[in-house]
Amino acid sequence: DAKTTQPPSMDCAEGRAANLPCNHSTISGNEYVYWYRQIHSQGPQYIIHGLKNNETNEMASLIITEDRKSSTLILPHATLRDTAVYYCIVRVARKDSNYQLIWGAGTKLIIKP
Amino acid sequence: DTAVSQTPKYLVTQMGNDKSIKCEQNLGHDTMYWYKQDSKKFLKIMFSYNNKELIINETVPNRFSPKSPDKAHLNLHINSLELGDSAVYFCASSQDWTGRNTQYFGPGTRLTVL
Repeated sequence: DAKTTQPPSMDCAEGRAANLPCNHSTISGNEYVYWYRQIHSQGPQYIIHGLKNNETNEMASLIITEDRKSSTLILPHATLRDTAVYYCIVRVARKDSNYQLIWGAGTKLIIKP
Repeated sequence: DTAVSQTPKYLVTQMGNDKSIKCEQNLGHDTMYWYKQDSKKFLKIMFSYNNKELIINETVPNRFSPKSPDKAHLNLHINSLELGDSAVYFCASSQDWTGRNTQYFGPGTRLTVL
């Protein structure tokens, strides 16, 4: 079962910041939040991940609330090529001591010219 | 050079047939995965192998049998295909099994069972 909820779709104007929200209210203290995106007909692509602190890389920023029950992925200057489905994911520890990513339903982000 | 490759990209077959999907990664990673993406776009883990050893088997029907001849290859064989097996199957790899490392995905294999 998914541990994250996301809006099914969002629009953003080209050149503006795209802010994608994610709720993960049942997340445990040692479970990481990951974001991947899937451009049409391609395999998912890693964006960023974090545990407690905000994170930034060349693609995006990840803001995690202090209570860790939600996070926001920020694409600072969206381009048309950022149109994709964005997945918010929780990494969980399994009973067999392995780890797996639990994928949500994703947000379809459409960047408009 | 493609990091994670899968063949074939498309597979159309009749119910009851047996088919295989192949996956190769040239990243030197220890861990490989098979995921299934259904029509609602959820990705669900099916199997994970670490250094040719099965470490995750996520309650998949035993008609699905993964095989890892070496750590760069993870193939998926499906027996007695059913309509519900229609989906996109993704192979992925990561440096190790801890889940802390980025998973790199292949382009997917779209399986259609008629």
